[in-house]
Amino acid sequence: KAGVTQTPRYLIKTRGQQVTLSCSPISGHRSVSWYQQTPGQGLQFLFEYFSETQRNKGNFPGRFSGRQFSNSRSEMNVSTLELGDSALYLCASAVGTNTGELFFGEGSRLTVL
Amino acid sequence: GENVEQHPSTLSVQEGDSAVIKCTYSDSASNYFPWYKQELGKRPQLIIDIRSNVGEKKDQRIAVTLNKTAKHFSLHITETQPEDSAVYFCAATEAAGNKLTFGGGTRVLVKP
Repeated sequence: KAGVTQTPRYLIKTRGQQVTLSCSPISGHRSVSWYQQTPGQGLQFLFEYFSETQRNKGNFPGRFSGRQFSNSRSEMNVSTLELGDSALYLCASAVGTNTGELFFGEGSRLTVL
Repeated sequence: GENVEQHPSTLSVQEGDSAVIKCTYSDSASNYFPWYKQELGKRPQLIIDIRSNVGEKKDQRIAVTLNKTAKHFSLHITETQPEDSAVYFCAATEAAGNKLTFGGGTRVLVKP
């Protein structure tokens, strides 16, 4: 069974640009969550999607957005990039919402110059 | 919202000794408490979890205890091995959804 797949794995952008990250969950999983990991702030929840609907949202500005498609694949977008957006963005999938174990992908490491 | 505090931030133990990591949470509605292990450059992986209707759970050398009244839970690793060296995160989540609030992490170093 394939795990959670995130693309791209590494990317470099400049301030003001926008970026789109993709996540393919484990087959059969309908919940996809996104987390930002930085040395200073640790692991912080961005949002969760379940059956194409946003179920929860963390405390991030509106520049961070996401969506989920009918095949459960999810994308997150960050517009008007700032230096502080440099981080590892982790996607996690679960069978359903409030079902327990989250399975994380390897992450997309974003560097903003 | 939920707030999770984790201590210590670093922990160095001799191989074979035990390691204990403690977390406290603020929201009494939280009912699921997982622990994740993240090796350098790798994804976080679930190592053990506990729900609020259980006080203790064990899986080989790893155990987790939960005190709902005091709102704290702990990870215990016995007979530590060098491969236990990693960053460990505790987390808490409420009944609705999969929103995990993580602790700040504990970097564990097991010295051979």
